[in-house]
Formats: sequence, structure tokens, C-alpha cells
Amino acid sequence: ETGVTQSPTHLIKTRGQQVTLRCSSQSGHNTVSWYQQALGQGPQFIFQYYREEENGRGNFPPRFSGLQFPNYSSELNVNALELDDSALYLCASSLAAGGALSSYEQYFGPGTRLTVT
Amino acid sequence: AQSVTQLDSQVPVFEEAPVELRCNYSSSVSVYLFWYVQYPNQGLQLLLKYLSGSTLVESINGFEAEFNKSQTSFHLRKPSVHISDTAEYFCAVIKAGGYQKVTFGTGTKLQVIP
Repeated sequence: ETGVTQSPTHLIKTRGQQVTLRCSSQSGHNTVSWYQQALGQGPQFIFQYYREEENGRGNFPPRFSGLQFPNYSSELNVNALELDDSALYLCASSLAAGGALSSYEQYFGPGTRLTVT
Repeated sequence: AQSVTQLDSQVPVFEEAPVELRCNYSSSVSVYLFWYVQYPNQGLQLLLKYLSGSTLVESINGFEAEFNKSQTSFHLRKPSVHISDTAEYFCAVIKAGGYQKVTFGTGTKLQVIP
């Protein structure tokens, strides 16, 4: 059983550019959530994807967008990067299974450290 | 909406001493509660969870937490800490029955002093 993986590990971008971050879910999981963790803060929920559809969104502007693919891997896209977008971006996968309690356990990847200059 | 408060941003403690990391939550609906641990330059690892049943939950490495509904708390405790416990600990909640948005606290850095 493989865990959650994310790529790249680190990324440096310039203000105004666009970035794509990638996440591979843990084997068997059908739900992916993305979080932004600024330095010294707790992770903040960006959005969640379930069966390729957005299934909930936090307080992030539309320039944060995502995709989930048929194999349940996912991408986070951020357009028009701002300095405040510098953060660790975490992906978490889980198995949504009709309200089963086990579906509330999320497994996190190691994150992508994005620096915007 | 749910919120989580971790009042202690840093907790220094000597090795083999007991520790308690405090967590209080606010929610108008039932929630499930979690503690995650984050080691330097790593992602989050689930430490323990309360979903239902016994209000005292334990992890495999000696941590425990007790869900107290009347005090809306889910404090994390360990009777004797080890150097390897040095990390940042996040308390988190999920609305029971809702989609799986996790609301995190701001974290507590546990520093174990040799």
C-alpha cells in the first residue's frame, strides 16, 4: 500500500506566475483535500474533490482551482501568484464510504513548499 | 462553523516529565476530534482520534486524549515524554456527517529538553 505523494517538493515562483502542484492519493482512496499551511500557522482548508467533483471549498479566491483525475490523483492550480501564497501546500486523501467512520481519517502527504518572490 | 483553539503556542518540558497540550473547540453540531503531529519538514501524521465510544483514546506511542463534551475540550497528555516527541501538534475537528473539511488549530510546539 503506497502512501500519499506530492510533487514537487519545493518550488520557487515569481509574483504573477501560475503554478501546478500534484498529489497521488493513497491506494484505494477516492477523496482528496488540499490545505495551505503558512509559516507558523495551522493548515487551512482550500477544497476537496470526490469522484472528480469539487465537494467543498474554504475561503480561498477562484484563482485557486483544482482537478481530480479518474485514478483519484489531483492537481492544485494557483494563478496570478501573490507573495502571501508562499506556504506549505498539503494534500490529504481519504476513503469516503457512505458515512463510515473510517472515512473521516485523512492521510497527508509530505507537502510542497512554495515560495513566491 | 467549527473552530479550534490551542492556547499554548510552545510547551517546553524536560525529558521523562509529563505533558498536557490543551485543545478547546467550538461547534454548534456534533464533531469528530483529532490530534495530528508534524515533525520538522514533514507532513502531518494522525496521532489519535475520537469518533465515538469511549471518551478516552490512546495512541500507540503513549499519548492519550480525553473528549470532554461539557468543557468542549480534547486535551492531549503523555505521562513521560521522550526526546523523539519533539514536534508540533495540531488539534483538529470535522463536522460529524459532513464533508471532510478538517479545521485545525494553530498548533503547539512541544520541545523536550534533555
